[in-house]
Amino acid sequence: QKEVEQDPGPLSVPEGAIVSLNCTYSNSAFQYFMWYRQYSRKGPELLMYTYSSGNKEDGRFTAQVDKSSKYISLFIRDSQPSDSATYLCAMSVRGSGGSNYKLTFGKGTLLTVNP
Amino acid sequence: DVKVTQSSRYLVKRTGEKVFLECVQDMDHENMFWYRQDPGLGLRLIYFSYDVKMKEKGDIPEGYSVSREKKERFSLILESASTNQTSMYLCASSLSRDRVVRETQYFGPGTRLLVL
Repeated sequence: QKEVEQDPGPLSVPEGAIVSLNCTYSNSAFQYFMWYRQYSRKGPELLMYTYSSGNKEDGRFTAQVDKSSKYISLFIRDSQPSDSATYLCAMSVRGSGGSNYKLTFGKGTLLTVNP
Repeated sequence: DVKVTQSSRYLVKRTGEKVFLECVQDMDHENMFWYRQDPGLGLRLIYFSYDVKMKEKGDIPEGYSVSREKKERFSLILESASTNQTSMYLCASSLSRDRVVRETQYFGPGTRLLVL
C-alpha cells in the first residue's frame, strides 16, 4: 500500500460547482498536511496548510483533516476556470532532525473548471 | 515572499552530456530539495540537503549527484545524461530542520529537460 493515495482524475466540473479533492494515507505518524496547486508547466504553490484534525477555511477553499480515518480533503466552493490546475496533497511527520522534514506527496488530481 | 529560482526553464541535451541544474533561494532556508515530476508517477525526491555541504539521498538518486557549497544554492548534476532522465525537475526549499511546526516547501518554476 502506498503511503499516500490520491485519485488522479481527471475531474471536470462546470463553473460554480463545489469541488471535493481527497487523499488517504497509511502512515499514522503524519501530522502536517498541505495542499499544493500546480498550474500547467509551473512549479507547485502552497495553497493550504493544516496541522490538527478539523476544518480550515481560506476564502473559497476549505481543508479538512480526519486523522482517525487517515483522510484529508480540499473543498473548493464556487469554482472558477482559474482554479483549473493539478492539486497535490502532501504530508509530513512531526519531529526535528533526520528525514522528518521531508514531504510525502500524492500524485495529484487534475481539475478542469469549464466556463 | 519566498523566491526560488531555477537557472533554466527549458533545456535540451544529448545523451552522455554532463548537465548542471541550479537552484537559488533568497529566504535563508536551511533545507533544499530536488524532485523530478513525471506523468503518472508524481513528484519523486532525488536528493535533499539540510545544511551547507550536507546531502542525503532521496528515493531515486541513481544517475544524479548534488552540490551545496552555499546556503542559498543547490545544484543537481546529471553525470552522464540518458534519455530516461527526460523530465520536469523541480527545486524546493523549506525553512529549518529544527522548526517542527512548519515544514512547508516552496517550489521553483521547474526546468523541463529533454535528453536526446
